[in-house]
Amino acid sequence: SQQGEEDPQALSIQEGENATMNCSYKTSINNLQWYRQNSGRGLVHLILIRSNEREKHSGRLRVTLDTSKKSSSLLITASRAADTASYFCATDRTGANSKLTFGKGITLSVRP
Amino acid sequence: SAVISQKPSRDICQRGTSLTIQCQVDSQVTMMFWYRQQPGQSLTLIATANQGSEATYESGFVIDKFPISRPNLTFSTLTVSNMSPEDSSIYLCSVGGGTSGSETQYFGPGTRLLVL
Repeated sequence: SQQGEEDPQALSIQEGENATMNCSYKTSINNLQWYRQNSGRGLVHLILIRSNEREKHSGRLRVTLDTSKKSSSLLITASRAADTASYFCATDRTGANSKLTFGKGITLSVRP
Repeated sequence: SAVISQKPSRDICQRGTSLTIQCQVDSQVTMMFWYRQQPGQSLTLIATANQGSEATYESGFVIDKFPISRPNLTFSTLTVSNMSPEDSSIYLCSVGGGTSGSETQYFGPGTRLLVL
């Protein structure tokens, strides 16, 4: 069964705006990872946040993790048309031996 | 980060046939994983392939349908056997970085399979 549930399922914004995507999960985790997928191609790893971390930054990306609420958010600032893609959160559940459980994904469209 | 290649990148196959997908990594890794992504869906883990031992399959996936080989620390194959149109998916391998199996998982570019 799927661990992560992202929302919204689809997001359309104007270039330059910020995009916020949320992910909720059900069980305790070791870490949570965000990935991007362009047009059904391979997954590109964006950022990993460990269960003992609350916030991480990488370039225009900001990820937060709230283990008490079992949720995470991915913020993309100053979005670009090239950010148009599907975004997935994936959890490495405690005791799962690094096996990732993926959410359903969010389709982000950035209009030029 | 690990660089992963997959062959073939795509294929169109007839039902009843089998296809073997190769996954090559540019460094030695302990754990390799195979995922399936059905059209418009998220990724589902098929199995974990560890060198020197049998692959571990997730619920709903069986060795007869998806035999896996892991002959060394840089290579693995997944075979999709006796294919049906329902097997049309993208198949992706992933690895944790380094022999210690770091947390970050990197994915190959995927193999897009269409079964007619």
